[in-house]
Amino acid sequence: DAGVTQSPTHLIKTRGQQVTLRCSPKSGHDTVSWYQQALGQGPQFIFQYYEEEERQRGNFPDRFSGHQFPNYSSELNVNALLLGDSALYLCASSFGTGRIGELFFGEGSRLTVL
Amino acid sequence: AQTVTQSQPEMSVQEAETVTLSCTYDTSESDYYLFWYKQPPSRQMILVIRQEAYKQQNATENRFSVNFQKAAKSFSLKISDSQLGDAAMYFCAYRRGDPNFGNEKLTFGTGTRLTIIP
Repeated sequence: DAGVTQSPTHLIKTRGQQVTLRCSPKSGHDTVSWYQQALGQGPQFIFQYYEEEERQRGNFPDRFSGHQFPNYSSELNVNALLLGDSALYLCASSFGTGRIGELFFGEGSRLTVL
Repeated sequence: AQTVTQSQPEMSVQEAETVTLSCTYDTSESDYYLFWYKQPPSRQMILVIRQEAYKQQNATENRFSVNFQKAAKSFSLKISDSQLGDAAMYFCAYRRGDPNFGNEKLTFGTGTRLTIIP
């Protein structure tokens, strides 16, 4: 049973560029959440997708956008990259009516902005 | 807004000994959930233990147990018989108890790095 998979694992971009990160949820899960984890910090909630719609959003600018596909996989897009966007981006999946808080996390995509 | 505070950036413990990691939180809500997650060098966050605020009994999971003090808004994690595999970052997290779908956001603390000394 595959867990949450994310790609790419590492990437380097320059300021002003755009990036797309991808996530495949754990088998049987239909909900995907994205978190940003800056170095030395705890993860910060970006947004959550269910039924291809953004259901909840954290305190992140519109440069951060996402998408969920019919197969429940998801993408996180960040436009006009800033140095401060350098972080580990974690994807977490869950089943809509499953145990509260039982999120399954991927290993993350490490983004470096130069 | 809810906040989660972990005041111990780093902790170390001798193998086979017991260690306690501290966490405090601030909320005006009465219904909520608290969690401890472990993040090893592989970066994958793994759920260690969870506590429902309405339950007075402290949660336990094998060698892991919590001391939940609701009035003091304190939620500490005790690891007994520490093992080398316990070495990781440990994050305390909070979630509202609102059962409505779409409110599953977790608020994390800044983490405690636990080192196990052989």
